[in-house]
Amino acid sequence: AQSVTQPDIHITVSEGASLELRCNYSYGATPYLFWYVQSPGQGLQLLLKYFSGDTLVQGIKGFEAEFKRSQSSFNLRKPSVHWSDAAEYFCAVAVGTGTASKLTFGTGTRLQVTL
Amino acid sequence: GAVVSQHPSWVICKSGTSVKIECRSLDFQATTMFWYRQFPKQSLMLMATSNEGSKATYEQGVEKDKFLINHASLTLSTLTVTSAHPEDSSFYICSARMTVSDTQYFGPGTRLTVL
Repeated sequence: AQSVTQPDIHITVSEGASLELRCNYSYGATPYLFWYVQSPGQGLQLLLKYFSGDTLVQGIKGFEAEFKRSQSSFNLRKPSVHWSDAAEYFCAVAVGTGTASKLTFGTGTRLQVTL
Repeated sequence: GAVVSQHPSWVICKSGTSVKIECRSLDFQATTMFWYRQFPKQSLMLMATSNEGSKATYEQGVEKDKFLINHASLTLSTLTVTSAHPEDSSFYICSARMTVSDTQYFGPGTRLTVL
């Protein structure tokens, strides 16, 4: 069965420091991968997605992610974190295709940014 | 683009009453919408997949008679929590799948508190 693992429950970084959030997936076919961000009490905002092609994907707010098939990973990175980046980050894999497609989410990583 | 709204953003009701939550895709048509439930500090749990003009598909363990879903148009899906009880208190989030991009866009969520 498909699954998504986010090994880090909570990460704290200083403002201006670099960030990497880990995501590993288990899925038999070629995955569609997503990163979403959720601020407290809010819905999810799409940061970026990978379907095919270039394995380094650029997203909004200066985020990028790299798909590594050999490691079954899709880690999210940002070179310089801003205090406003503090939020919950979810990695997800789309299972199935077309109208049968559903998202399976990881458990999330809470990012805290210190000034 | 790709904006999804939910109404209400929060609701408090008495035990035994029913509550309806609306999910609208504002600037695109969505043949498929999804309803999720999120407990505090946890990930999203898919409750059901809502397809326009047909019956919803519920995930295992979700009571279809308790969580009524209607997807009457390409821009509106509703979730009705019938005979609500305190254990139904949660954060409910909907998403709409944009067909051309095969990407889900999320609403801001609805906080339900059942007294």
